[in-house]
Amino acid sequence: DAKTTQPNSMESNEEEPVHLPCNHSTISGTDYIHWYRQLPSQGPEYVIHGLTSNVNNRMASLAIAEDRKSSTLILHRATLRDAAVYYCILRDHGSSNTGKLIFGQGTTLQVKP
Amino acid sequence: DGGITQSPKYLFRKEGQNVTLSCEQNLNHDAMYWYRQDPGQGLRLIYYSQIVNDFQKGDIAEGYSVSREKKESFPLTVTSAQKNPTAFYLCASSIRSGVGNQPQHFGDGTRLSIL
Repeated sequence: DAKTTQPNSMESNEEEPVHLPCNHSTISGTDYIHWYRQLPSQGPEYVIHGLTSNVNNRMASLAIAEDRKSSTLILHRATLRDAAVYYCILRDHGSSNTGKLIFGQGTTLQVKP
Repeated sequence: DGGITQSPKYLFRKEGQNVTLSCEQNLNHDAMYWYRQDPGQGLRLIYYSQIVNDFQKGDIAEGYSVSREKKESFPLTVTSAQKNPTAFYLCASSIRSGVGNQPQHFGDGTRLSIL
């Protein structure tokens, strides 16, 4: 399974944009890039996913490098409720795979008022 | 609202006791998963089921058992053979396994502790 690398922690001020980076240099052509976040004592929450093109939804934007070896999750205006651990995960699209998500350590985002 | 319900939220196990964690989904998803999370760590896969009446071991299945008799239910039993069961247990589901562009939906977890 391809791996991802994220910074252990990041800080942001409330109301400011946040850019969370993820490196995935061994990504394969069929790997989708997924982002989840986990608040304390809760299950992970799906944020966004993409394959090649940049993606936007109501929660965030996902910017994918042209060579797909890195991506950035963008929170446009951080709120205190965005403080969480953010996981960048590669998910293979193929009938032979289990569909399991491989969680690394993630990035702990702190948002300061 | 559709979603995944895990119960109980907190569970205590005595030595030598088996305990069962409940996971129910009303999303009409075929695939269901059980993960374990230890403090400060990511999630690790215990068991998964791609369809009713079928399930496979994940990365850390020893000391656990599951069943999938109904599409909406995937209970996990933590047996006495699991010597270090204290953890946060998370159940998830997705439309199908092997589909990379489908997200997994998670429950709010069960925290299991040893008495």
